[in-house]
Amino acid sequence: KAGVTQTPRYLIKTRGQQVTLSCSPISGHRSVSWYQQTPGQGLQFLFEYFSETQRNKGNFPGRFSGRQFSNSRSEMNVSTLELGDSALYLCASSLKQGEYGYTFGSGTRLTVV
Amino acid sequence: QKEVEQNSGPLSVPEGAIASLNCTYSDRGSQSFFWYRQYSGKSPELIMFIYSNGDKEDGRFTAQLNKASQYVSLLIRDSQPSDSATYLCAATSGTYKYIFGTGTRLKVLA
Repeated sequence: KAGVTQTPRYLIKTRGQQVTLSCSPISGHRSVSWYQQTPGQGLQFLFEYFSETQRNKGNFPGRFSGRQFSNSRSEMNVSTLELGDSALYLCASSLKQGEYGYTFGSGTRLTVV
Repeated sequence: QKEVEQNSGPLSVPEGAIASLNCTYSDRGSQSFFWYRQYSGKSPELIMFIYSNGDKEDGRFTAQLNKASQYVSLLIRDSQPSDSATYLCAATSGTYKYIFGTGTRLKVLA
């Protein structure tokens, strides 16, 4: 059974640019959540999608957005990148909305220069 | 600001000993609690979850929950060097939104 697939694994972007990250959940999983992980802040919740609808949102600025497609794949977009956006972005999927825990993908390491 | 607090460590234990990892949470409405293990350079992986007060055992791992004290712990029996990792505690806040602690780094000494 394939796990959670995130692409790309690494990205280097310049301040002011925008970036799109992709996540394919485990087959059959309809809930996808996104987290930002940094050494200082740990894992911070970005948003959660279930059946193409955003069900929860964390305390991030509007520059961070996402969407989920009918096949449960999800994308996350960050516009007008700032240096502080450099982080590991993790996608996690679950059958129901995290009720029994999440399976995380390997993450996308974003570096903003 | 709803929080989950963990001691960052490192917590060093000798091989074969019991490692005790602790976590407190601020949201009295939290219903579900999770422990994840994260090896350096890897993504978190779920160890176990607990919903009810008391103990829940899974192999060498035991999760303990005390909702009155807002306290969750993870015991690892017969600790092995391969258990050396960062352990993340998470609590649900609202509808299945997780709040993660910053993790405790465990070092099991051979």
